[in-house]
Amino acid sequence: GDSVTQMEGPVTLSEEAFLTINCTYTATGYPSLFWYVQYPGEGLQLLLKATKADDKGSNKGFEATYRKETTSFHLEKGSVQVSDSAVYFCALINSGNTPLVFGKGTRLSVIA
Amino acid sequence: EAGVVQSPRYKIIEKKQPVAFWCNPISGHNTLYWYLQNLGQGPELLIRYENEEAVDDSQLPKDRFSAERLKGVDSTLKIQPAELGDSAVYLCASSLGGQGSQETQYFGPGTRLLVL
Repeated sequence: GDSVTQMEGPVTLSEEAFLTINCTYTATGYPSLFWYVQYPGEGLQLLLKATKADDKGSNKGFEATYRKETTSFHLEKGSVQVSDSAVYFCALINSGNTPLVFGKGTRLSVIA
Repeated sequence: EAGVVQSPRYKIIEKKQPVAFWCNPISGHNTLYWYLQNLGQGPELLIRYENEEAVDDSQLPKDRFSAERLKGVDSTLKIQPAELGDSAVYLCASSLGGQGSQETQYFGPGTRLLVL
């Protein structure tokens, strides 16, 4: 079945550091790929998405590029802020009648 | 525009008691999802509705869990009786929908359940 694997956390960075959270997927067909963010005590918020190969999703300084050849969708940000501290989930939804499939999440802590 | 609304936000009950969660999706969203999120894990689908029809309930433990979406808008998820292992966050999400679509899903804040 479809699956998502993302790097385990927690990840601790200093403010203004570069962030990469790796995400790879296994899926049949042509999935859409998503990054969701969950701030403490809140629900999941869509951060960005990409629907086809080579698409780049971007939002709030975060970027991720849909790489079909490496089945990856790594999340990057050039300069993190304390307010970026949260849990980040990579997810996919495949063609057909399937639900979102999530990775286990990566907790990011940014310290001043 | 209002997002997905869930209530209650927190619930503490004793094992063997019943509990119910309520969800109001974004207006106009035909597809509604209930997900279960265990601590340190990503959400996993429990049930998906297209309008009032449950089109995917294969992961719903039907011996104790039930759900309904009367009139194709609000939805209620019930557990009876609750067990210790049901302690988790129950997330509701909605999307514009359509069979086989890859529409973006929008999540509510979740209900955090603790079973003692």
